[in-house]
Amino acid sequence: QQQVRQSPQSLTVWEGETAILNCSYEDSTFDYFPWYRLFPGESPALLIAIRPVSNKKEDGRFTIFFNKREKKLSLHITDSQPGDSATYFCAASASSGSWQLIFGSGTQLTVMP
Amino acid sequence: NAGVIQTPRHKVTGKGQEATLWCEPISGHSAVFWYRQTIVQGLEFLTYFRNQAPIDDSGMPKERFSAQMPNQSHSTLKIQSTQPQDSAVYLCASSLETGNQAPLFGEGTRLSVL
Repeated sequence: QQQVRQSPQSLTVWEGETAILNCSYEDSTFDYFPWYRLFPGESPALLIAIRPVSNKKEDGRFTIFFNKREKKLSLHITDSQPGDSATYFCAASASSGSWQLIFGSGTQLTVMP
Repeated sequence: NAGVIQTPRHKVTGKGQEATLWCEPISGHSAVFWYRQTIVQGLEFLTYFRNQAPIDDSGMPKERFSAQMPNQSHSTLKIQSTQPQDSAVYLCASSLETGNQAPLFGEGTRLSVL
């Protein structure tokens, strides 16, 4: 059973639009949720992260919205740029557990100029 | 500051040969993680060390894979009798302190088993 799910699998938006990437999780002990961005041929790079004490985390054009009750979170990328085209991974871990990061299957984002 | 360093960047082995992958974590980072990345499976957790001690190897295929961290400056992932299905990008990541920081990844080693 997948512990971290992402949707959609792929997303295409136009330059300037807001891209919304969704993530949900199963384990209620998860208490740390980083998002990573992966460009082809490169390794995953940490983008932004949130803890359940907050329901929103903002960093420039990137915002995480978090709903602890529904075990859902989403990454919003405002004013999307072609350079944002990449695969985005949601991950989760539990500080009370072994601390392995569980990754979702990723959302491939394409921003059309 | 140097990031996580992985060597080699690319490795090609024949079926049945052994492959050893090296990782040098960021200096001062106490947690070291190994992941495997494939198109089909995505990012799969393999194993994790904290202060050089193995903490969780639940993602490691039991028979042919092993990982060590003999000192705080490097970790190795060894695959014996490599098989074509072992072909993947193997990623090492490290973090300062588990629970407080997302791991930072190295550039990975692309293993190709012919």
